[in-house]
Formats: sequence, C-alpha cells, structure tokens
Amino acid sequence: GAGVSQSPSNKVTEKGKDVELRCDPISGHTALYWYRQSLGQGLEFLIYFQGNSAPDKSGLPSDRFSAERTGGSVSTLTIQRTQQEDSAVYLCASRLAGVNYEQYFGPGTRLTVT
Amino acid sequence: QQQVKQSPQSLIVQKGGISIINCAYENTAFDYFPWYQQFPGKGPALLIAIRPDVSEKKEGRFTISFNKSAKQFSLHIMDSQPGDSATYFCAARSGNTPLVFGKGTRLSVIA
Repeated sequence: GAGVSQSPSNKVTEKGKDVELRCDPISGHTALYWYRQSLGQGLEFLIYFQGNSAPDKSGLPSDRFSAERTGGSVSTLTIQRTQQEDSAVYLCASRLAGVNYEQYFGPGTRLTVT
Repeated sequence: QQQVKQSPQSLIVQKGGISIINCAYENTAFDYFPWYQQFPGKGPALLIAIRPDVSEKKEGRFTISFNKSAKQFSLHIMDSQPGDSATYFCAARSGNTPLVFGKGTRLSVIA
C-alpha cells in the first residue's frame, strides 16, 4: 500500500517568511511523528501525535514551530518567521499504536531558508 | 544530553568485508532498539530491530548484537556490498515514546 507522503519535497523560502509542511501518514496509523534532520546531527524529535491525546510537543525548538493533525490523519508543521538555522530536512513518520509496531518514515521535505 | 551515542561517524569497508557500527545508551528504560538505513534523498527505512530480552538477532547479512549490562548494541553487516553504502542510524525508545536517534554513520563500501 501507499507509504507516508510529504509535500513539498523541496521548499526554498526567504528569512522571515512562514512555511507549512504537509504529511500524509499511512492510512490507519494513529501515531504520527515529526523529526528534523540537520547535516551531521541525526534525527531530532519535534512533536508526536497519538490518536486523540494531546500531542507531545516537548521537542519543538521554539514557539515559532507548531503542528496540527486534522481528523487524526493529515498533519501540517508550520514554521513562522523562518530563520536560516531552520534549514534542514523535515521528516514525518507514522505507525500503528502499540509498542510492537514499527515506525515508517516519509521521504522528507528539504527546507532552505535564504 | 545525548541519549544514544553512535560511532564511528564514517566507515569505509572493502567489498566482502564486515561493517560494524556501535551504539551506547544511558536510559535503562529503553526497551526497543532499531537500526535504520537511509539513502540520499530518502527517508530512513527500518533495517532490523531488537528487544533487550535477546542478545542477538540476525536477518540475512545483518546482525544486531545487544549487551544489556554494558548498555551497548551494534550492527554487523556481513559480506558488505557497494549497495549497502548508506547512512545508518541506531535508535532507542521506551514503550510508546518517540524514538531517540544516534547521529548516524556514513558507510561506504568500496570494490
């Protein structure tokens, strides 16, 4: 079946602009994660949605970052007033609830802030 | 505080050789340890995973060795091939918490 999809695949924006990144998880997956991957820094956890529970926002680096998940499916990560240090690949992942289920990643959105 | 430390940062292995990547963790509550493989321009893909009730898991040419007392686990790639050239990430989590990742190892397998 279809995997996790993300759009756009690439985004170039000017410093100070707002951007929205979209994630379509695998159908039926109740858990959804956003990570940021900077060069040489591995994957940094940003936010986690699980069903109807309040999201775990503990990884968001600043209040310029926010995310929502509508209808328990599609998620949007919004970065306001982008800065050059926000340049990275933003990865979305989803999985079924329960400890024994694997996490599947999308291809990511490469964000470049000029 | 880095919860999962991965080494080496980069690795060059001859075709047919064994690639070994190591990870160490601090949180004894971690109960799931996966390895992900990532090719350029792609998202990470699950390669193999282990839980702390076993010391080794093998899938084809890929083996995870797990040492609970030392809080270390490693990935061994036997008979390494050029197609294995990628970045490898170890990770860990406790229950349903988000995965915590190592910083990655860039593997190059040369002919």
